Amino acid sequence: DTGVSQDPRHKITKRGQNVTFRCDPISEHNRLYWYRQTLGQGPEFLTYFQNEAQLEKSRLLSDRFSAERPKGSFSTLEIQRTEQGDSAMYLCASSPSGDRGLLVGLFFGEGSRLTVL
Amino acid sequence: DAKTTQPPSMDCAEGRAANLPCNHSTISGNEYVYWYRQIHSQGPQYIIHGLKNNETNEMASLIITEDRKSSTLILPHATLRDTAVYYCIVRAPYSGAGSYQLTFGKGTKLSVIP
Repeated sequence: DTGVSQDPRHKITKRGQNVTFRCDPISEHNRLYWYRQTLGQGPEFLTYFQNEAQLEKSRLLSDRFSAERPKGSFSTLEIQRTEQGDSAMYLCASSPSGDRGLLVGLFFGEGSRLTVL
Repeated sequence: DAKTTQPPSMDCAEGRAANLPCNHSTISGNEYVYWYRQIHSQGPQYIIHGLKNNETNEMASLIITEDRKSSTLILPHATLRDTAVYYCIVRAPYSGAGSYQLTFGKGTKLSVIP
């Protein structure tokens, strides 16, 4: 499968614990995005990388959230001291750069569902 | 990016055409109209996009009005697998350090009925 893959697909944790999600984008895509989706809502943008550089962060990304893409390939999203309000689906997407990115849009993974008890 | 308005839900009989409307009355001249869909428990999937002209691909057709203030996504022969939330998104093309990120609304929940 050459699509965007995310791991784990499901995570249940207790409030106050740290969790980390991993995203492997499509190999030739240098742009990577993280979104969060809560029940009944559309996905909300969190952050964006071009290669290894984190170029944009939403105000939704509190200081408990950190995302990295150290070698410009896979990315991790860590949530520290989880709260019940962090329960959501965390979606990763990738796209090529330049005009081709505009034409083909974003390719999303299946998401990582987080439940904070 | 311009805001879009979509009906919260629609039903369509299996085998019939599904016509999903979207209003984007504040669209700018260089903004594209994108459609994505999200089947339950999956990530969003790109369907089609357009600027001015009507577009068609293997999944759907996109009809954009002449004044570009609204558009319609057409699924010509809806199947049960087309049951999903459909998002209409308006976005300007990449420029400078722009990120291509998409702003999703709540979309239209399409239910295809047997």
